[in-house]
Amino acid sequence: GAVVSQHPSWVICKSGTSVKIECRSLDFQATTMFWYRQFPKQSLMLMATSNEGSKATYEQGVEKDKFLINHASLTLSTLTVTSAHPEDSSFYICSASGQSNQPQHFGDGTRLSIL
Amino acid sequence: QQQVKQSPQSLIVQKGGISIINCAYENTAIDYFPWYQQFPGKGPALLIAIRPDVSEKKEGRFTISFNKSAKQFSLHIMDSQPGDSATYFCAALSSGSRLTFGEGTQLTVNP
Repeated sequence: GAVVSQHPSWVICKSGTSVKIECRSLDFQATTMFWYRQFPKQSLMLMATSNEGSKATYEQGVEKDKFLINHASLTLSTLTVTSAHPEDSSFYICSASGQSNQPQHFGDGTRLSIL
Repeated sequence: QQQVKQSPQSLIVQKGGISIINCAYENTAIDYFPWYQQFPGKGPALLIAIRPDVSEKKEGRFTISFNKSAKQFSLHIMDSQPGDSATYFCAALSSGSRLTFGEGTQLTVNP
């Protein structure tokens, strides 16, 4: 089946550091990729939608200057958390869709811990 | 904006029993109703999905029932196993591949 790879799986870093998370679609071309954030025992909250070659669309309340998204190719999207602070600690998950209006496939998530 | 209500929040079932999770949605411009299974520390995995023009879909022990008039859909897990213990999310996929998730159900299957 479709595979989405996310890297790294776990990051621990100091406050003020910028962290980059990669999301790759391994066996299909992802025209659209999505970034979610999930707090413990809660549902997934969509942060932004990115389409290859264009600017990401951010959900209301998500700071675009804080969470930089790049979707430079049909198989790679990156999320950079700039100047991370402890409140940014969370589980970040990407997903990808090869065709419009088809269910998304998710990566295994990145656990981000800011000290 | 699409909303999806999911119940129950948690569910405990004995091994071999049937697990039933229910969801209700609001808007009707939906292309797919997928169900995702999530284990701790992992991303959600697509379990089964149904289109709104189908009333039921079965894959192995997993069945989705869809009631368009009531705007409700449910997941049935037959012969539940301890390995099925996970968090289950229903979702609605609307135009532009936008997914709206339910709140999640934590399923525990006791041996």
